[in-house]
Amino acid sequence: GEDVEQSLFLSVREGDSSVINCTYTDSSSTYLYWYKQEPGAGLQLLTYIFSNMDMKQDQRLTVLLNKKDKHLSLRIADTQTGDSAIYFCASGGYQKVTFGTGTKLQVIP
Amino acid sequence: KAGVTQTPRYLIKTRGQQVTLSCSPISGHRSVSWYQQTPGQGLQFLFEYFSETQRNKGNFPGRFSGRQFSNSRSEMNVSTLELGDSALYLCASSSMTGTDRLGGFPDTQYFGPGTRLTVL
Repeated sequence: GEDVEQSLFLSVREGDSSVINCTYTDSSSTYLYWYKQEPGAGLQLLTYIFSNMDMKQDQRLTVLLNKKDKHLSLRIADTQTGDSAIYFCASGGYQKVTFGTGTKLQVIP
Repeated sequence: KAGVTQTPRYLIKTRGQQVTLSCSPISGHRSVSWYQQTPGQGLQFLFEYFSETQRNKGNFPGRFSGRQFSNSRSEMNVSTLELGDSALYLCASSSMTGTDRLGGFPDTQYFGPGTRLTVL
């Protein structure tokens, strides 16, 4: 089946940039997503990118997509303690959505 | 504007029973998606409904079913419960743009708090 892989853990210092990486196998994915899950705050869709785009910027978030290598990354600039959460990468298309295992981001004050 | 509500929030059932979970989307949203989250399997997509029609479905057995009503509220049902069905069930509502009518994934989603199902 389709697979989405992420590293399990990332630790950064407050104020630094965080880069969370993801690889996926479904070459027919139309959409690639980043979700954020905080304890007590539920799951939220952070941002997404269409498969025909290379980059998308949204305030402190930058999504880069390398379609050839099936590699997606999420960069968070000026990381804050409030960014501590689990980040899920997901690939999707018509009738198929697959999530990664999630990367736990720890922000050290 | 009220958010996505899910009822009940917690549920305990025994193996072999069936369960029905409910999701009320944000007013005006016509798409509702369901997800299962477990420590072992992570987040998995169950199905998506739009205007009372199931458009997308994940790889789950037929014991998992759902429906959507004309007011966009959705229910999911799990029959013959198994221990492995213990999970957090999340629903999300979204407004769909014109490019998504073919069944693509929504570009905005709002999640409910989830229903924690425990199967004993």
